[in-house]
Amino acid sequence: EDKVVQSPLSLVVHEGDTVTLNCSYEVTNFRSLLWYKQEKKAPTFLFMLTSSGIEKKSGRLSSILDKKELFSILNITATQTGDSAIYLCAVGAYSGGGADGLTFGKGTHLIIQP
Amino acid sequence: EAGVAQSPRYKIIEKRQSVAFWCNPISGHATLYWYQQILGQGPKLLIQFQNNGVVDDSQLPKDRFSAERLKGVDSTLKIQPAKLEDSAVYLCASSKRPTSAGEQYFGPGTRLTVT
Repeated sequence: EDKVVQSPLSLVVHEGDTVTLNCSYEVTNFRSLLWYKQEKKAPTFLFMLTSSGIEKKSGRLSSILDKKELFSILNITATQTGDSAIYLCAVGAYSGGGADGLTFGKGTHLIIQP
Repeated sequence: EAGVAQSPRYKIIEKRQSVAFWCNPISGHATLYWYQQILGQGPKLLIQFQNNGVVDDSQLPKDRFSAERLKGVDSTLKIQPAKLEDSAVYLCASSKRPTSAGEQYFGPGTRLTVT
């Protein structure tokens, strides 16, 4: 059974700090790893990673994948109160018949204090 | 481009009652997913449709849950009869396979409370 473990489960930091969120996975026939941000509504897509060692960056957020060690990190620099959310990590796998539903971790609940 | 639409946004029912949720995916997206997200957990896949066919329903509790996507566009998820443990947010997502390579777009969800 595919498994995604995120750490820490919750994190409280002050505005301006840099945070690193971790995601480790066990999956058969790995295809991709995705990061989502979830506030009080729909998860919104942040990054999709398929290759090791290639950093993806969007503003203050960046992410990288290590397919040898089976983990990914999400970095947020110069945090702002608007970054407060649950950050979800998910993996996709190649399956028979075209099934490609994602397996999610429990998420990291990030709180940014002013 | 309009996002994934879901209704209702909230629903409260008593156990043993039935309930239905509706989802309209992003226009042109052939693949539609239903996920269940229990408080404090990540979303869990219930069922995946490709056009109007079921691709994966291995985690759907088929004794009480059913879903359909008759015309390959919008979809309905039904629970009958509901149990207390069905209290969760039900998320619908869609993707533009095959080029999306796994990227899925989520709707706002329906929060179900079973009392």
